Amino acid sequence: DVKVTQSSRYLVKRTGEKVFLECVQDMDHENMFWYRQDPGLGLRLIYFSYDVKMKEKGDIPEGYSVSREKKERFSLILESASTNQTSMYLCASSFPLTASNQPQHFGDGTRLSIL
Amino acid sequence: KNQVEQSPQSLIILEGKNCTLQCNYTVSPFSNLRWYKQDTGRGPVSLTIMTFSENTKSNGRYTATLDADTKQSSLHITASQLSDSASYICVVSANKLSFGAGTTVTVRA
Repeated sequence: DVKVTQSSRYLVKRTGEKVFLECVQDMDHENMFWYRQDPGLGLRLIYFSYDVKMKEKGDIPEGYSVSREKKERFSLILESASTNQTSMYLCASSFPLTASNQPQHFGDGTRLSIL
Repeated sequence: KNQVEQSPQSLIILEGKNCTLQCNYTVSPFSNLRWYKQDTGRGPVSLTIMTFSENTKSNGRYTATLDADTKQSSLHITASQLSDSASYICVVSANKLSFGAGTTVTVRA
């Protein structure tokens, strides 16, 4: 069975800290994504990567960076955490989206609280 | 303004009853439309994916329809079960993915 694993289900950090969220997939997918999910807003794309060491900004990249050193691992970095980054963070992976019958596979999310 | 609008925002139904969720979109050009189910505390899971040429697709008790001319889709749940309690997310694929805010379904015994 396909699996996307996020390193933490719950995380509490302090304002100004550097925060790392890790995601690993075992499906040999080229594409990996980081989203945040807030009530009433739906999923919003922060960054995505279509290959190792490649990254593209999504709709809300400010305050975030990413790293993809290996195909199976995609990390989201909050350079200096702020309270408005308190949210649910979801990682996803997929084959190229141009393959129209290929869904995204999601991890179970990290609920991050910044105090 | 979100390019994918879902309605209703939430609904409550009795176990065994049917319900229909709506998704209207303005995204263009259209590639495919996806419905996901998200249980509380879990990530979304794909239910159906429909391309431009498909107007209906089923996955068990879930049936999705698509009218690409009017840019509307619906997700019908037949004979609901308690395990259907979840959020249902409509996603439209063009040159990128556009997500609706979701409909929260609560099934009561």
